[in-house]
Amino acid sequence: EVQLVESGGGLVQPGGSLRLSCAASGFTFNNYAMSWVRQAPGKGLEWVSAISGRGRSTDYADSVKGRFTISRDNSKNTLYLEMNSLRAEDTALYYCAKRADIVVVGDFDYWGQGTLVTVPS
Amino acid sequence: QLVVTQSPSASASLGASVKLTCTLSSGHSSYAIAWHQQQPEKGPRYLMKLNSDGTHSKGDGIPDRFSGSSSGAERYLTISSLRSEDEADYYCQTWGIGIQVFGGGTRLTVL
Repeated sequence: EVQLVESGGGLVQPGGSLRLSCAASGFTFNNYAMSWVRQAPGKGLEWVSAISGRGRSTDYADSVKGRFTISRDNSKNTLYLEMNSLRAEDTALYYCAKRADIVVVGDFDYWGQGTLVTVPS
Repeated sequence: QLVVTQSPSASASLGASVKLTCTLSSGHSSYAIAWHQQQPEKGPRYLMKLNSDGTHSKGDGIPDRFSGSSSGAERYLTISSLRSEDEADYYCQTWGIGIQVFGGGTRLTVL
């Protein structure tokens, strides 16, 4: 059974930093690209960042480019999101999402339950 | 610019069918999409990938009541024999080079 469990969320002051983690199990982690997707309170889904299976290729939404860094440790089956220079508009539930195959862009076939990041205004 | 558009809300009666629409932006009518369901207070759940020719592949455990179809730039999700647990937000997702895009979501109310 595929499981994605996010952690690391919390309350952080504007300009601060936070690192999110996503522990994956139930599939061969390094065979699949992964993404982070966020959802602001009461709003829709917004793609944040993606990384290829071996970690060699990454993509970012314009809203986080230069501030967030996605990475993965395939030996630990874990995905990360390093978030710097946080702003109030980064407040959201952050989901880890598994791609349906090895290609970075495409449909997500499994999602985690999310971890909440709060940046007060 | 790659954009997908959804109606904000839809409603249908228990036991009936409903068809939700996702519209691809101009110049992107050949793109595939994915449908995701988000029940209240839960993480999203993958329903299916839907191609421009209407072929689709569903996620694990998705019942036959959920089906997809396509026409031009429109992508549809049909849910038949509606149940109370189908009341949820439904998001379409598409993708391009270096980008993933979500529609604003359709909130389905089961009457």
